Amino acid sequence: AQRVTQPEKLLSVFKGAPVELKCNYSYSGSPELFWYVQYSRQRLQLLLRHISRESIKGFTADLNKGETSFHLKKPFAQEEDSAMYYCALVYSSASKIIFGSGTRLSIRP
Amino acid sequence: GAGVSQSPSNKVTEKGKDVELRCDPISGHTALYWYRQSLGQGLEFLIYFQGNSAPDKSGLPSDRFSAERTGGSVSTLTIQRTQQEDSAVYLCASSFRLGWGEQYFGPGTRLTVT
Repeated sequence: AQRVTQPEKLLSVFKGAPVELKCNYSYSGSPELFWYVQYSRQRLQLLLRHISRESIKGFTADLNKGETSFHLKKPFAQEEDSAMYYCALVYSSASKIIFGSGTRLSIRP
Repeated sequence: GAGVSQSPSNKVTEKGKDVELRCDPISGHTALYWYRQSLGQGLEFLIYFQGNSAPDKSGLPSDRFSAERTGGSVSTLTIQRTQQEDSAVYLCASSFRLGWGEQYFGPGTRLTVT
């Protein structure tokens, strides 16, 4: 069965430090992976999708099929990065999506 | 409108009552999605519509849940005989075409079943 695992419920780092939010998936097919973010009192929004291989707000994520991972990284954290981050996997011929349990990122000044 | 809107923003209901949650997508968006966000289950996908059609209803938690969309616009999510475990924030999203990376989310309806 397909599964998305985000092992850290809470990640706290200092401003300027590197950030890595972990995401591992389990899926026998070809994965389509996303990162969504929800800032405090704001709506859920897409941050990244693996297909586009882009950098958004300094964040990048690389799909590693060997390790079945899609970790989210940023070299220098900023206070405005504090938010809830969800990793998500689209499956079943792109008709369904499953989310990880989320990681709350807190950036300390 | 400027974005996806949902109503009501908050709903408190007694166990056993039926509730209707409404979603107004962005004008012109053909795809519409419902999600549930709860402490116990995290973020769950429920159902999506392409136009007025929902190809797969298997994500709905039970047969007490139903959803419809009319005129390719407004959608309602109905929960019959509400239970305490239905308490959650129900999110709606829409996109111009079907695409998981192209959704605009609404503010959610917080449902509390007492």
